[in-house]
Amino acid sequence: DTAVSQTPKYLVTQMGNDKSIKCEQNLGHDTMYWYKQDSKKFLKIMFSYNNKELIINETVPNRFSPKSPDKAHLNLHINSLELGDSAVYFCASSQSNEQFFGPGTRLTVL
Amino acid sequence: AQSVTQPDIHITVSEGASLELRCNYSYGATPYLFWYVQSPGQGLQLLLKYFSGDTLVQGIKGFEAEFKRSQSSFNLRKPSVHWSDAAEYFCAVGPLRAGNMLTFGGGTRLMVKP
Repeated sequence: DTAVSQTPKYLVTQMGNDKSIKCEQNLGHDTMYWYKQDSKKFLKIMFSYNNKELIINETVPNRFSPKSPDKAHLNLHINSLELGDSAVYFCASSQSNEQFFGPGTRLTVL
Repeated sequence: AQSVTQPDIHITVSEGASLELRCNYSYGATPYLFWYVQSPGQGLQLLLKYFSGDTLVQGIKGFEAEFKRSQSSFNLRKPSVHWSDAAEYFCAVGPLRAGNMLTFGGGTRLMVKP
């Protein structure tokens, strides 16, 4: 009965690599999001997609490219990973103003 | 621009004591307000939300929050804290339009003493 799922849960990689995080929601929601939580627990929106269309991009570097193959999926691809990309990334979805969050993906860049 | 402030970074209370976590927001219109809880290593779980109507809202796990427009506040309360309440608590504000982003406060870490 998982509502919003993310894979992988943990990701450890070297600087300069390219990696992807996947997100899927089975709630039938139209809107999906990616948030970044830094080491001080501060949560910040990165992207928002509505019906596969990008509606918010909060000045995230071009190395981050979200892809929404259908409205149930919003994947996050990151090129040329940097140390500062280490964080927990949360996917979320919503139909109205209540957002449902996934369990998070902890990315560690070495 | 909308913003959320949680003035207390850490709070420690004794088990069984009452709790109040503060949240102040800045928003140009009537906001939607939320409290989320994040247990260690876990995702975010919604505790309660305020959209309109009664300014005292009840949530899960015995939590409640009161919306005070005059003070731009949405403080979270619990009459008797349990050890399992130890977690990080986030206040968030969102616009009226569906599908838009939430702005989160910096979080308050709650520690519970036996």
